[in-house]
Amino acid sequence: DTEVTQTPKHLVMGMTNKKSLKCEQHMGHRAMYWYKQKAKKPPELMFVYSYEKLSINESVPSRFSPECPNSSLLNLHLHALQPEDSALYLCASSQVSGTIGYEQYFGPGTRLTVT
Amino acid sequence: AQSVTQLDSQVPVFEEAPVELRCNYSSSVSVYLFWYVQYPNQGLQLLLKYLSGSTLVKGINGFEAEFNKSQTSFHLRKPSVHISDTAEYFCAVSDRGFGNEKLTFGTGTRLTIIP
Repeated sequence: DTEVTQTPKHLVMGMTNKKSLKCEQHMGHRAMYWYKQKAKKPPELMFVYSYEKLSINESVPSRFSPECPNSSLLNLHLHALQPEDSALYLCASSQVSGTIGYEQYFGPGTRLTVT
Repeated sequence: AQSVTQLDSQVPVFEEAPVELRCNYSSSVSVYLFWYVQYPNQGLQLLLKYLSGSTLVKGINGFEAEFNKSQTSFHLRKPSVHISDTAEYFCAVSDRGFGNEKLTFGTGTRLTIIP
């Protein structure tokens, strides 16, 4: 199974709402990632978790709050977002240090619209 | 720090014609290079990767790429394209082949196949 799943597929939320994005993988990967992708742009890294610990935060605003409750799950909690946060949010996973042939496996993404 | 340049933002190609998508990288250390494809409204899928060894790398769907250290390039090629190859293609670099490291993506090349 080389699949990364993400729910929901689409999300529309107001600027005062609180919502969460969910990502799941069952490949035994111990690194998980959140990316943000605006239209016609490449993905931009937001967060990296390694062994369920936050290892990289690319200076993301605090209205985005990641959580890694176990080795298979990754959440992104959203609160007080702005319209410019509307984008495709991609989750990815990979093996960790010591595995030379690593690659990141991407989920299909959640299309977020902030109104 | 590493960076990636994809010189062509759009490449139109007739069906069954060959195609080359260009990628140049900049890095001060050993590099690991990737090509990902993104079909409309989907996540990213790995086409191929270069980690070490043979400079000619073969990937899925008939694509191949050649790592050229002297020209700091990693161009993607396919001898005969199909309508189904219409997608966005991203070149990416990582300066270490370990997990939980960040990928730096190029700006992408939109490949359009003309029937």
